[in-house]
Amino acid sequence: NAGVTQTPKFRVLKTGQSMTLLCAQDMNHEYMYWYRQDPGMGLRLIHYSVGEGTTAKGEVPDGYNVSRLKKQNFLLGLESAAPSQTSVYFCASSYFGLAGGQETQYFGPGTRLLVL
Amino acid sequence: AQSVAQPEDQVNVAEGNPLTVKCTYSVSGNPYLFWYVQYPNRGLQFLLKYITGDNLVKGSYGFEAEFNKSQTSFHLKKPSALVSDSALYFCAVLTGGGNKLTFGTGTQLKVEL
Repeated sequence: NAGVTQTPKFRVLKTGQSMTLLCAQDMNHEYMYWYRQDPGMGLRLIHYSVGEGTTAKGEVPDGYNVSRLKKQNFLLGLESAAPSQTSVYFCASSYFGLAGGQETQYFGPGTRLLVL
Repeated sequence: AQSVAQPEDQVNVAEGNPLTVKCTYSVSGNPYLFWYVQYPNRGLQFLLKYITGDNLVKGSYGFEAEFNKSQTSFHLKKPSALVSDSALYFCAVLTGGGNKLTFGTGTQLKVEL
């Protein structure tokens, strides 16, 4: 049981390049989330998904797209990378939604992205 | 808007001493509050949460947190700190109709010998 995994671990991009970050979970969770972590700002939600085939915008969705074609995978895409997207990206998952506070999120190890 | 604040960027404590990492919240209605810990180059790990009931919540690794409604606080505590507790700690509150977590800015805890 690997939990939540993310690939790649680290990537350097030039401005304007595109890339896709992959998140995979083997816990049969319905909900998946993408966050970015920046110094002094904590984690901010980019997009999330409440089930296969669904996506929704979070707090900072601009410049990113996501897809959830398979229940176990949640992809985060950058179509035209900008230096402002330099960050550490975390994926998380939970079996149910967080409403009611009974559920907790499980986080992946993160992807460090540097956009030059 | 629902939010949490962590007033200290860094907390230093000697091993064996008690530690406190502070968190205050601003929510309408009943708050659902969480603490997560992040070790270097790792993802966040859940420590504990307050939903309802007893104001003192016990969690993983000997940590506990006290919910104080009058002071709108949810401080993380441990009676005796270990060097291995050194990490980045995040307070969070459930927001967005209960579908999202809003995190504080984090507090770096450093436990020294």
